[in-house]
Amino acid sequence: DQQVKQNSPSLSVQEGRISILNCDYTNSMFDYFLWYKKYPAEGPTFLISISSIKDKNEDGRFTVFLNKSAKHLSLHIVPSQPGDSAVYFCAASAGNTPLVFGKGTRLSVIA
Amino acid sequence: DTEVTQTPKHLVMGMTNKKSLKCEQHMGHRAMYWYKQKAKKPPELMFVYSYEKLSINESVPSRFSPECPNSSLLNLHLHALQPEDSALYLCASSSPPQGIGYTFGSGTRLTVV
Repeated sequence: DQQVKQNSPSLSVQEGRISILNCDYTNSMFDYFLWYKKYPAEGPTFLISISSIKDKNEDGRFTVFLNKSAKHLSLHIVPSQPGDSAVYFCAASAGNTPLVFGKGTRLSVIA
Repeated sequence: DTEVTQTPKHLVMGMTNKKSLKCEQHMGHRAMYWYKQKAKKPPELMFVYSYEKLSINESVPSRFSPECPNSSLLNLHLHALQPEDSALYLCASSSPPQGIGYTFGSGTRLTVV
């Protein structure tokens, strides 16, 4: 049973526009959520996180929104740049448990 | 030093070979992890070491044998692997609590022939 779901395998966005990547989860015990970015032949790199006590966290062009009642979070990238093209993984943890990852969404930003 | 270093980057091994993957970090992190990632799949947790002790084994076959010689090093010993074990093997480390601030290595791309 997949506890973290990213239902869109891929997304294409024009440069300068907003990219919205979505993530759903099923485990109500999750209290910390993270987004990782992965380029080919590299390990995932941490992008942004949010605790369950918040509904929004912003860092430059990246904003993560959390809707606990819907068990849904989203990553907004504004404005999107070609260098943002990568696979984005949503991850979650409950207390001190290891991270559980979604399948990832491949973002392509077209110049 | 804010990196996790994994060696080798690529490895091709036969089903009768014995090889080891290595992972090193000098950030003072006391939790270290092995993940396995196959194409178009999420990273899947294999093992967790916390304070150099194995704390989680996600029912991984015994042909994979982890070792944590000290707080900076994590090894994964491989023996009698199958072609379906071919994957990207990722090492990560974190300061407890485990769910926050993982740093991943670049991975070892393993091919079993």
